Amino acid sequence: AQSVTQLGSHVSVSEGALVLLRCNYSSSVPPYLFWYVQYPNQGLQLLLKYTSAATLVKGINGFEAEFKKSETSFHLTKPSAHMSDAAEYFCAVSDPSGTYKYIFGTGTRLKVLA
Amino acid sequence: DVKVTQSSRYLVKRTGEKVFLECVQDMDHENMFWYRQDPGLGLRLIYFSYDVKMKEKGDIPEGYSVSREKKERFSLILESASTNQTSMYLCASPKNNEQFFGPGTRLTVL
Repeated sequence: AQSVTQLGSHVSVSEGALVLLRCNYSSSVPPYLFWYVQYPNQGLQLLLKYTSAATLVKGINGFEAEFKKSETSFHLTKPSAHMSDAAEYFCAVSDPSGTYKYIFGTGTRLKVLA
Repeated sequence: DVKVTQSSRYLVKRTGEKVFLECVQDMDHENMFWYRQDPGLGLRLIYFSYDVKMKEKGDIPEGYSVSREKKERFSLILESASTNQTSMYLCASPKNNEQFFGPGTRLTVL
């Protein structure tokens, strides 16, 4: 069975500071991993995905994540936070079998302080 | 551009009413999904469909049913709405190993 844990339901950073959102997964097969962002009153938008190619994945808006199998982690980072990054972020895992069934974490709300 | 659309952004219904939430995708994909999103719980899978007239229960199907008469359309039905079904409902369909989401329907049951 697969599961996802996001540490920290709320994270605050100052504008210009490093953003680090944590995601740990468990999966019995090599997983696909995703980070989605949700702005207020909108659906989810894909930030980046890992599908067993390069372990360092670059996404949109300057975000990146590194797949670390030994730590079963897929943490999301951005070197310098911008006010527009304030949103809720979801980590998700799926198996590569083609069912497209995702398991989502409970989300982390990012607040950016001026 | 890939599009997943949902019939309503906001909906207010009364307890006991029958509620239909509609989702349409233009990716010609077999799979479609309905999730509900609640604070602190993330997204939870209600039902999914992997082909026309085919459906499977997700993690929280109780109180819901679905209909898939055409490939592009997947409907979520609340037979008798209850206040604990007040939530954000998100439809999704995949393409290239990625789920594409609709904008969501925020349902309030009074």
